[in-house]
Amino acid sequence: DTGVSQNPRHKITKRGQNVTFRCDPISEHNRLYWYRQTLGQGPEFLTYFQNEAQLEKSRLLSDRFSAERPKGSFSTLEIQRTEQGDSAMYLCASSPSGGADTIYFGEGSWLTVV
Amino acid sequence: AQSVTQLGSHVSVSEGALVLLRCNYSSSVPPYLFWYVQYPNQGLQLLLKYTSAATLVKGINGFEAEFKKSETSFHLTKPSAHMSDAAEYFCAVSPLGAGNKLTFGGGTRVLVKP
Repeated sequence: DTGVSQNPRHKITKRGQNVTFRCDPISEHNRLYWYRQTLGQGPEFLTYFQNEAQLEKSRLLSDRFSAERPKGSFSTLEIQRTEQGDSAMYLCASSPSGGADTIYFGEGSWLTVV
Repeated sequence: AQSVTQLGSHVSVSEGALVLLRCNYSSSVPPYLFWYVQYPNQGLQLLLKYTSAATLVKGINGFEAEFKKSETSFHLTKPSAHMSDAAEYFCAVSPLGAGNKLTFGGGTRVLVKP
């Protein structure tokens, strides 16, 4: 069990550029989640997958955001035409399934849009 | 809709003193409840969770929390603070049967004074 892995850990990009974050969940975890956390705030839910199916998306996930989990293993979160308001930490998490299963978080990917 | 309120965005305690972090939730049905800890520039680590079993839940690092349905509270305590407890703490709620999508409170930053 190597934990949830996220790459890159830090990304600085110019406004208007596209960025992509990758998440490798804990092996055999069926559920994968993306959250966003801004400074001084708690994480906010963005979306989650059950295997390769994206089951729910938050209203926070505008059309510029897209998440995929093509083979039910790793996931990517792409932000197109970045804006300064996108600056945040993007957290990935995974769990075996639903219910009361513990959700394990990665260390996050910091995005700074300049 | 679920919501979580953490009273006090900052708490300062002396080493060896009691740590008390307050969390109140709103939910139409008793939910699952969680406490996570976040150290600087890191992801979230689960301290403990309530899943409708015992109302007094013991977690890691000497922390415990008590679920009080009548008060819709899930306060976190530790009898004796240690310097290593300095971190940010988040209370979260997940409604039963909702795919364990977490809704977080705003967090409480704990400072431990020697």
